[in-house]
Amino acid sequence: GENVEQHPSTLSVQEGDSAVIKCTYSDSASNYFPWYKQELGKRPQLIIDIRSNVGEKKDQRIAVTLNKTAKHFSLHITETQPEDSAVYFCAGTGGSTLGRLYFGRGTQLTVWP
Amino acid sequence: NAGVTQTPKFQVLKTGQSMTLQCAQDMNHEYMSWYRQDPGMGLRLIHYSVGAGITDQGEVPNGYNVSRSTTEDFPLRLLSAAPSQTSVYFCASRGSVSNTEAFFGQGTRLTVV
Repeated sequence: GENVEQHPSTLSVQEGDSAVIKCTYSDSASNYFPWYKQELGKRPQLIIDIRSNVGEKKDQRIAVTLNKTAKHFSLHITETQPEDSAVYFCAGTGGSTLGRLYFGRGTQLTVWP
Repeated sequence: NAGVTQTPKFQVLKTGQSMTLQCAQDMNHEYMSWYRQDPGMGLRLIHYSVGAGITDQGEVPNGYNVSRSTTEDFPLRLLSAAPSQTSVYFCASRGSVSNTEAFFGQGTRLTVV
């Protein structure tokens, strides 16, 4: 099956700085890569996703880039704010068409005011 | 639309007791899954289902049982609770098309004493 690795496991930045979280995947058949944000005590929620036929996608302060050749994708958050503090998960689909997602282990992002 | 409804939110069990975590979705999703979340371990897949009557094991299935009699419901049963099953449990559902969002329930914080 798919193996998704995520780095770093913890990340601390000053408010206003940028944050980057990186993920690699093993199965070249993966075609969908979502990113989830989980605030303390809450459920994971989708913040952005990218499909394998797209190299980059932006939504206001967040962006995701995908390098299919190298099999890695990254989440970029610009102008970070304290409310960006959360655990972020990346995921890939592997070759499955059945709906399974393979999650990375998560990154705890802390934004200091 | 209620999305994914998961109950209970909190539960304390004694070692050896059994219980069922309930999960229901109203989005007509074929794919449903159960994860456990432990500190530093990310979201680990327990069991999943690709449709009514079809279930399969994930990464950490031991001690858990599932069934899928309807498209809407996917209960998780703990057969004989152990302290190692103390965790936060999330149910999630997703459409069968490979590039669609997964929706999570609110989570169940389970403590086994």
